Amino acid sequence: DADVTQTPRNRITKTGKRIMLECSQTKGHDRMYWYRQDPGLGLRLIYYSFDVKDINKGEISDGYSVSRQAQAKFSLSLESAIPNQTALYFCATSGGNTGELFFGEGSRLTVL
Amino acid sequence: GNSVTQMEGPVTLSEEAFLTINCTYTATGYPSLFWYVQYPGEGLQLLLKATKADDKGSNKGFEATYRKETTSFHLEKGSVQVSDSAVYFCALRAQKGYSTLTFGKGTMLLVSP
Repeated sequence: DADVTQTPRNRITKTGKRIMLECSQTKGHDRMYWYRQDPGLGLRLIYYSFDVKDINKGEISDGYSVSRQAQAKFSLSLESAIPNQTALYFCATSGGNTGELFFGEGSRLTVL
Repeated sequence: GNSVTQMEGPVTLSEEAFLTINCTYTATGYPSLFWYVQYPGEGLQLLLKATKADDKGSNKGFEATYRKETTSFHLEKGSVQVSDSAVYFCALRAQKGYSTLTFGKGTMLLVSP
């Protein structure tokens, strides 16, 4: 099993629908992140959490919300999806002081 | 603010050719620098890193040297293989401890037999 698991892996939805992407990890890391990948734009940070009680906005948090349900779980919600939120979403974790991020395999979201 | 600039791709090479992917950064202080690789259909994984000036990170035949005087961290490989075809991301962490990574836009590498 993967250390960082994202569900669903693929999702097609319609404009205005609420969507939740879930992430769970077995690495025991305290820090978790949500990134969005778009062609030509690289990875952009949406939200991050350094601890269960800590939530921080990234550079593109508008239209998104998150919940850190436990140290191992970090979910991303789109309250009312719009087409320009069509993208590949990655969850990542980190621990210790190496700075290394460990990524899930991604969740591809299409908003029609 | 912090930023990372990579050369645009795709970079197209024949097998056994020499590879350079340029990366320059803007950051205050003494950032740590990383190269991540994303193979088709997968998440990113760490390729190599360097935490201080003049450090050389290396892995799987790839190398990159942290050059503070030119604020660069160029990725090189002497002889690429078809299996190296992937997207490569340069990234920085501005300070140690609890800080986030800033990524470049990525450079796609295509290696043909």
